[in-house]
Amino acid sequence: KNEVEQSPQNLTAQEGEFITINCSYSVGISALHWLQQHPGGGIVSLFMLSSGKKKHGRLIATINIQEKHSSLHITASHPRDSAVYICAVGSYNTDKLIFGTGTRLQVFP
Amino acid sequence: DAGVTQSPTHLIKTRGQQVTLRCSPKSGHDTVSWYQQALGQGPQFIFQYYEEEERQRGNFPDRFSGHQFPNYSSELNVNALLLGDSALYLCASSSLMNTEAFFGQGTRLTVV
Repeated sequence: KNEVEQSPQNLTAQEGEFITINCSYSVGISALHWLQQHPGGGIVSLFMLSSGKKKHGRLIATINIQEKHSSLHITASHPRDSAVYICAVGSYNTDKLIFGTGTRLQVFP
Repeated sequence: DAGVTQSPTHLIKTRGQQVTLRCSPKSGHDTVSWYQQALGQGPQFIFQYYEEEERQRGNFPDRFSGHQFPNYSSELNVNALLLGDSALYLCASSSLMNTEAFFGQGTRLTVV
């Protein structure tokens, strides 16, 4: 079992839909990261959070430390949101990130 | 601020050859981590450099080595390339005081 699990693996949505991507982890963490990766590879950091909730534009990230679970929400989805969304955790006493395998999102007009 | 820059962006090498990939961290960052991302997989941690020394290492063979320079830039070297080394290699920089990582665009290595 992977230390970081994401669901779903693939997600298809119509423009305007509300989207939720889930991440569960099994290790103690210092922070959880949500990342976006477009075709071609470059990774953009969306959020880093260790508790509660963060919002940036149409993106919202929440984390429940007790349940070792985080969600990424996209409101009013748009075709330009199509990308792979990756959850990664930084564990205690180390700066290395442990990545989930990503959720591939496609938003159609 | 140019952010994290990696070079080259794409590279094709032959089995058995050696390759060097380069990374310049974001301004103000002193820590560089390297990751390998195989097709369809999440990135896997290779190693991390801080103060010109390897601080942590993932489960990669000794064929993978690195270096960090006084200006905090870093190189990843892979010797005796195998077909299975074909992947996207990502560099991430951070500051020891703040664990938020910023990623480069990656170098796509193809071994033929």
